[in-house]
Amino acid sequence: EIVMTQSPATLSVSPGERATLSCRASQSVSSNLAWYQQKPGQAPRLLIYGASTRATGIPGRFSGSGSGTEFTLTISSLQSEDFAVYYCQQYSKWPLTFGQGTRLEIK
Amino acid sequence: QLQLQESGPGLVKPSETLSLTCTVSGDSISSSSYYWGWIRQPPGKGLEWTGSIYYSGSTYYNPSLKSRVTISVDTSKNQFSLKLSSVTAADTAVYYCARHSTVSSSSAFDMWGQGTMVTVSS
Repeated sequence: EIVMTQSPATLSVSPGERATLSCRASQSVSSNLAWYQQKPGQAPRLLIYGASTRATGIPGRFSGSGSGTEFTLTISSLQSEDFAVYYCQQYSKWPLTFGQGTRLEIK
Repeated sequence: QLQLQESGPGLVKPSETLSLTCTVSGDSISSSSYYWGWIRQPPGKGLEWTGSIYYSGSTYYNPSLKSRVTISVDTSKNQFSLKLSSVTAADTAVYYCARHSTVSSSSAFDMWGQGTMVTVSS
């Protein structure tokens, strides 16, 4: 199976600043990568698919990049509602696999 | 407006079978465009894909659970179901049902149910 590794585990950033989250795949997943946001007590919400395409209704401050094995989620100017846990997921091959998550916290 | 709703017992005894149903409203589960999947999340931990099903009945399972998991679909009720046998405390989790596209380049989970907590305990 493809192992997804996210870094860092926790990221502390001030509101208004930029946050950069990383995700690495153990083998190439091409651009078949998604990012999700999860807040406490809620289901995950799809942010990005195809490595760089924003899902419907997702603000422009969220952007994704990368292909192959290295991917990045960037939040350009953090808003209070952006502090949450973020997961990457590959859908290139079965079994589908998620990263362990990055917790984005207020600095 | 598509909605997915999980239902089932919140408490299951060790060694028994966990059974959950996801009811889909606002879209047909027989759509050729989607898989329907289950994802679980133990308390305080990350997301784990359990398995997915296509309306025709084709299934895909997480190898770590394959010997214990069965996913089925009932197109007449617009539902799909999860059964996990021989459960232990390690199966305690929030279980989500979700949809993902059959188009390989965009097969992310784009719609999710709210999740249901299942505790395995005697």
